Amino acid sequence: NAGVTQTPKFQVLKTGQSMTLQCAQDMNHNSMYWYRQDPGMGLRLIYYSASEGTTDKGEVPNGYNVSRLNKREFSLRLESAAPSQTSVYFCASNGLVNEQFFGPGTRLTVL
Amino acid sequence: AQRVTQPEKLLSVFKGAPVELKCNYSYSGSPELFWYVQYSRQRLQLLLRHISRESIKGFTADLNKGETSFHLKKPFAQEEDSAMYYCALTARAGTALIFGKGTTLSVSS
Repeated sequence: NAGVTQTPKFQVLKTGQSMTLQCAQDMNHNSMYWYRQDPGMGLRLIYYSASEGTTDKGEVPNGYNVSRLNKREFSLRLESAAPSQTSVYFCASNGLVNEQFFGPGTRLTVL
Repeated sequence: AQRVTQPEKLLSVFKGAPVELKCNYSYSGSPELFWYVQYSRQRLQLLLRHISRESIKGFTADLNKGETSFHLKKPFAQEEDSAMYYCALTARAGTALIFGKGTTLSVSS
């Protein structure tokens, strides 16, 4: 089992560029999440998907969109990147038991 | 509103000293509480959950509903305990976690 995987690991964008962060899990979990981690702010929820075909906004959704492509995959898209979106992005999933499993993270810098 | 507060950004201790990382929460119902740990440049991983009432890597945490606290304790810190520790809560199974801002634990010899 690979658990939760994310691509890419690192990315540098210029302001206004777009990109999609990919996330996949092989644990047959229903729920998937995208968080951002900023110094002094902890982890904040961007979007989540409670099951295939559903998505909901979290605490900080502005500037992002998501797609739950199937049960395994949950992508996060930045349509027009801004320096304020410089962060480390973590994808996570959990099943019926409440332990969330996290991916390795994507370190994004927007210049 | 649901909130998790970790009052210390940084906690520095010497090896062998006791450690207590504080966590207070605000929630009207009966949440499930967790401690997650993130070692340098690694992914977050679950350390403890309150319903398990277990000791992992020498750490324990007791839920005090009266004080709405879930402090993480270890009697004798080790250098390998140096990491970022996050307290988190969730309302029910399968839902998103609400994280505190984290406490960096630094253990030196």
